[in-house]
Amino acid sequence: EIVLTQSPGTLSLSPGERATLSCRASQSVSSRLLAWYQQKPGQAPRLLIYGASNRATGIPDRFSGSGSGTDFTLTISRLEPEDFAVYYCQQYGSSFTFGPGTKVDIK
Amino acid sequence: QVQLRESGPGLVKPSETLSLTCTVSYGSVSSYYWAWIRQPAGKGLEWIGRIYANGNTDYNPSLKSRVTMSIDTSENQFSLKLTSVTAADTAVYYCARENWPFDYWGQGALVTVSS
Repeated sequence: EIVLTQSPGTLSLSPGERATLSCRASQSVSSRLLAWYQQKPGQAPRLLIYGASNRATGIPDRFSGSGSGTDFTLTISRLEPEDFAVYYCQQYGSSFTFGPGTKVDIK
Repeated sequence: QVQLRESGPGLVKPSETLSLTCTVSYGSVSSYYWAWIRQPAGKGLEWIGRIYANGNTDYNPSLKSRVTMSIDTSENQFSLKLTSVTAADTAVYYCARENWPFDYWGQGALVTVSS
């Protein structure tokens, strides 16, 4: 099973700042089959990024993904008030596993 | 756009069977894989398994001995059964469409295991 580790656990930032979230896999994720989701309290996760760097339909371009192999990054270029949430990475190259999440909260 | 909705009992007794159904609207279960994912309160997401229209299934090895999924293409629904539940199975259960990865999700159903 591929284990995903996310860092930091919590990221405290102000609106307008840049957020950089990390996801590391215990083994290489084939074909960059890694996704990122955003989850707000009481809501289902929302797909942001698939294939490591492709934005899902309707996702603003301030969200970008990068990486390959075992190291992946989600970047939010300028935080908007609605971006404060928990973010999960997920690999789907070998079954399906999720990372533990990074909470982005308001500083 | 595709909509999914989970339904089923919100309270299940220990050792009994948890049963949930996901009804799909504005889309057909005859295409794509359909999945169940759960999330204990304040914790992360766990993939439970998936099913295709022809009945092919894949389950999380950690739950495989207790999980059964089925699909009803005539009703445009798919279902989850989890046997011998304990308090550790208390969670919000989501159904989702797998489109490499999961692009549409239900709103989630809280299932509490308690006597």
